Amino acid sequence: ETGVTQTPRHLVMGMTNKKSLKCEQHLGHNAMYWYKQSAKKPLELMFVYNFKEQTENNSVPSRFSPECPNSSHLFLHLHTLQPEDSALYLCASSPGLAGNYEQYFGPGTRLTVT
Amino acid sequence: ELKVEQNPLFLSMQEGKNYTIYCNYSTTSDRLYWYRQDPGKSLESLFVLLSNGAVKQEGRLMASLDTKARLSTLHITAAVHDLSATYFCAVDKKDSSYKLIFGSGTRLLVRP
Repeated sequence: ETGVTQTPRHLVMGMTNKKSLKCEQHLGHNAMYWYKQSAKKPLELMFVYNFKEQTENNSVPSRFSPECPNSSHLFLHLHTLQPEDSALYLCASSPGLAGNYEQYFGPGTRLTVT
Repeated sequence: ELKVEQNPLFLSMQEGKNYTIYCNYSTTSDRLYWYRQDPGKSLESLFVLLSNGAVKQEGRLMASLDTKARLSTLHITAAVHDLSATYFCAVDKKDSSYKLIFGSGTRLLVRP
């Protein structure tokens, strides 16, 4: 595997379910990100981790719970979601936070909340 | 608050034609990025523009940056069908360069 991978690629869940999204980067990067891409809004930054430490929570509701056990893996735990949470969730990574670091994106998880 | 606006949001053009996509942003930023996204796929980095007057070209795409006008353009020359995709511009916040603010995207359809 190369680059940034995400699983599952598609997920349908009910509002009472609990599920998790997984992201893995094979680039040796230290920073990882979760973004939400909705049909009617620009891409929104949700969370940022640097060296496993959360550095940014962009006012995300608590029904989204991120976890970063190491610099290569990032999870997004989901519970009691709402239909408006249906979106494409993209993971990205970069070598670090400061400076001229480009972000590399994974293929995304298409989430549908019923 | 940093805002990024792209226009047009949708562009249908014939093969062989030229066109420009515009990206305006509201406050000072250090870097501007252009990404391409194919349906159901991830974002692919096209260009990173770092300074006023920067111009970069790759194939039929050319991007430029005017930081004084807070404007970037993505020019398409002699479009081909393979360029059909959604194009996003993004700028980073000056005090926290990892925070990218994205435009809404321009969906480009190149017709035969």
